[in-house]
Amino acid sequence: TQLLEQSPQFLSIQEGENLTVYCNSSSVFSSLQWYRQEPGEGPVLLVTVVTGGEVKKLKRLTFQFGDARKDSSLHITAAQPGDTGLYLCAVNSGGSNYKLTFGKGTLLTVNP
Amino acid sequence: KAGVTQTPRYLIKTRGQQVTLSCSPISGHRSVSWYQQTPGQGLQFLFEYFSETQRNKGNFPGRFSGRQFSNSRSEMNVSTLELGDSALYLCASSFGSGRSTSDTQYFGPGTRLTVL
Repeated sequence: TQLLEQSPQFLSIQEGENLTVYCNSSSVFSSLQWYRQEPGEGPVLLVTVVTGGEVKKLKRLTFQFGDARKDSSLHITAAQPGDTGLYLCAVNSGGSNYKLTFGKGTLLTVNP
Repeated sequence: KAGVTQTPRYLIKTRGQQVTLSCSPISGHRSVSWYQQTPGQGLQFLFEYFSETQRNKGNFPGRFSGRQFSNSRSEMNVSTLELGDSALYLCASSFGSGRSTSDTQYFGPGTRLTVL
């Protein structure tokens, strides 16, 4: 059983559209991270959410941590081709900040 | 400041061989973590080193091993390669103090290993 379930697995949209991707679990987490990975590169941290119900904004990206700290969502407004990439959520596991468990990711393609 | 570097970027090996991958962390970072990324399993944690000691370990067989040097550079070794070891191997570095969730892990571009 996957600790973090991400949906959808694939998403292809046109430039200018809005989208939301999800990261769900049955476990409670103290914090959750979102990463974006572009082809040929390693993941890059976008945001860390730590408080239930927390909403963080990064330009056109809005991240929300569920009230019960079991799930999170990432909303992108007016998507651009530069947003194309693999979006991964991750949590610390084993009581360590340096042992991350990742979801399998949402592969987003934004077409011009 | 220079990012995390990994060498080589691409590697082709045959079954039964062994391979050593290298990771140079960001200057000042003392923690290096290794991950395996495959299409089927996604990103999976291998192990983490801090001050030359393995501090955390994932659920991989003993064929996967690593070490860290006094300058924080790290290597991972895979012995007796299997077809299923074909993957992108990523390393990430951080300060490693462990006191805060703000100690960001910075990933390198990875080494693409193909086992034939």
